[in-house]
Amino acid sequence: GAGVSQSPSNKVTEKGKDVELRCDPISGHTALYWYRQRLGQGLEFLIYFQGNSAPDKSGLPSDRFSAERTGESVSTLTIQRTQQEDSAVYLCASSLASSSGGRYNEQFFGPGTRLTVL
Amino acid sequence: QKEVEQNSGPLSVPEGAIASLNCTYSDRGSQSFFWYRQYSGKSPELIMFIYSNGDKEDGRFTAQLNKASQYVSLLIRDSQPSDSATYLCAVKGSWGKLQFGAGTQVVVTP
Repeated sequence: GAGVSQSPSNKVTEKGKDVELRCDPISGHTALYWYRQRLGQGLEFLIYFQGNSAPDKSGLPSDRFSAERTGESVSTLTIQRTQQEDSAVYLCASSLASSSGGRYNEQFFGPGTRLTVL
Repeated sequence: QKEVEQNSGPLSVPEGAIASLNCTYSDRGSQSFFWYRQYSGKSPELIMFIYSNGDKEDGRFTAQLNKASQYVSLLIRDSQPSDSATYLCAVKGSWGKLQFGAGTQVVVTP
């Protein structure tokens, strides 16, 4: 597995249900990012992990959104009590490292999970 | 004011011509700048990055950075139909977080 993988690729759910989205970063990448992209719009930052800690959760839109990462590898993004406005593509990206002092920050993106809330 | 601004387009470019895409950013302390290409229904892929003022060329792509003017651009020479995509400008802010612009849609017409 050379790239970032995400599952499921598509998820259709009913309003009010909880969903869990998974991201497997590139092996060795310590930084992991979640973004949301609504149809025809740019990328909206949600949360960033450095290792297992999340120094920046500023983009999470509400307390219905949470994310965790274990073992500096897999991350899950959970959306509770989904609403129709949560419908979007959720993209995960990883990079080798990220710090305020560093300059190199190439992020590799996964294929995304398309979430549709009916 | 958005932190990273781009014209949404679409930018229509005849095949073989030069496509010029612009991006401005608000954080004067930003140090790293990236251009991603995103085909419809696909995830973004990095095509260029630039750290220093001036021009950086890679094949048919040239990135230009002017930190004093807080401006970064991307030129695509000899545009091909396969260049039709949305181009996202990204600027590195604190904690390594990339701030993305909304993207410019480029349409190369044969």
